Amino acid sequence: QKEVEQDPGPLSVPEGAIVSLNCTYSNSAFQYFMWYRQYSRKGPELLMYTYSSGNKEDGRFTAQVDKSSKYISLFIRDSQPSDSATYLCAMRSGGGADGLTFGKGTHLIIQP
Amino acid sequence: GAGVSQSPSNKVTEKGKDVELRCDPISGHTALYWYRQSLGQGLEFLIYFQGNSAPDKSGLPSDRFSAERTGGSVSTLTIQRTQQEDSAVYLCASSLKRNGGELFFGEGSRLTVL
Repeated sequence: QKEVEQDPGPLSVPEGAIVSLNCTYSNSAFQYFMWYRQYSRKGPELLMYTYSSGNKEDGRFTAQVDKSSKYISLFIRDSQPSDSATYLCAMRSGGGADGLTFGKGTHLIIQP
Repeated sequence: GAGVSQSPSNKVTEKGKDVELRCDPISGHTALYWYRQSLGQGLEFLIYFQGNSAPDKSGLPSDRFSAERTGGSVSTLTIQRTQQEDSAVYLCASSLKRNGGELFFGEGSRLTVL
């Protein structure tokens, strides 16, 4: 079993829909959880950063972490065509980003 | 520049040749990372530099891969005797600090080995 599992998609939804992206993980030591967005032929950019369990909201984006289930989610409300990208989850137990483990990414398509 | 700069953006080479990929991090960022992103795969950590400390090379896949960082700034990733399985996007990232610092990625160098 890989440390971080993420469905690669593609996930295609109509504009305005609520999008749910998810990752599961096996390492219970992970404490820091991130979501990166990567547009085609660009580098990833940090979207959300969460420590431990709970929810974090930023505009149309909400990140949820359930450490008991080893499951993290990213919700996008009122999805826009500009949200079309690959979303990568990432997590680490502590220390530096050299310990950062990424999921394979989910390719999201928002249909106008 | 304002962001992480990588060159070349695209490189096509023949099997067996050596390649050098360059990364210019954000000014003032002490930490620098190299990742590899292959088609359908997640980001694979390769090597990490922090200030003047010895680099963490634990992610390098073979001794054909090496990297250096001169003057605590620009970094070069070198792949010797390239193989077809080395074809991937090589991403560089920098951060202001090691612990908890946000990673800022460049746009990557896309390597194709024929």
